[in-house]
Amino acid sequence: DAKTTQPNSMESNEEEPVHLPCNHSTISGTDYIHWYRQLPSQGPEYVIHGLTSNVNNRMASLAIAEDRKSSTLILHRATLRDAAVYYCILLSSNFGNEKLTFGTGTRLTIIP
Amino acid sequence: NAGVTQTPKFQVLKTGQSMTLQCAQDMNHNSMYWYRQDPGMGLRLIYYSASEGTTDKGEVPNGYNVSRLNKREFSLRLESAAPSQTSVYFCASSEMLNLVGYGYTFGSGTRLTVV
Repeated sequence: DAKTTQPNSMESNEEEPVHLPCNHSTISGTDYIHWYRQLPSQGPEYVIHGLTSNVNNRMASLAIAEDRKSSTLILHRATLRDAAVYYCILLSSNFGNEKLTFGTGTRLTIIP
Repeated sequence: NAGVTQTPKFQVLKTGQSMTLQCAQDMNHNSMYWYRQDPGMGLRLIYYSASEGTTDKGEVPNGYNVSRLNKREFSLRLESAAPSQTSVYFCASSEMLNLVGYGYTFGSGTRLTVV
């Protein structure tokens, strides 16, 4: 499985944008880029995913580099409730056999 | 919608005891999964079931068995608990992951301590 590299931790001020980076230099053409986050004492929750084009949803935006070897999760205006561990995961588009493989993620701290 | 429901939420076992962790989903998903999460680490896949009637080993299956009882329910059994199985266990379900807006849905976890 292709691996991802994320910083162990990041800090951001409340109400400011947050850019969470992820490197995936060995990504294959059929790998989708998924982001999940895990709030304290909860199970992970889906944030966003994409293949080649940038993606937006109500939670965040995903910016994907043109060569697809890196991506950035963007939280446009961080709140205290966004403090969590964020996981960047590559997933093959082999339908019926999708299995999320988690790394250690980035622990995001929001400073009031 | 309840999503993914796990029971129990907390459990303490003595070494050698057995127990079954229950998981049920109400989203009509085909695929279900069991993960464990040790302190300071990411989740590791124990077993998964791509569809009703099938189960496969994940990254760390030793010491566990699973049963996909029907489309809704996927249980995890520890036959003889060991302290190394102290962890938080998460069940998840998914459907057509790579369509826009779809993804895994996780339960709230079972915190298991083996003494």
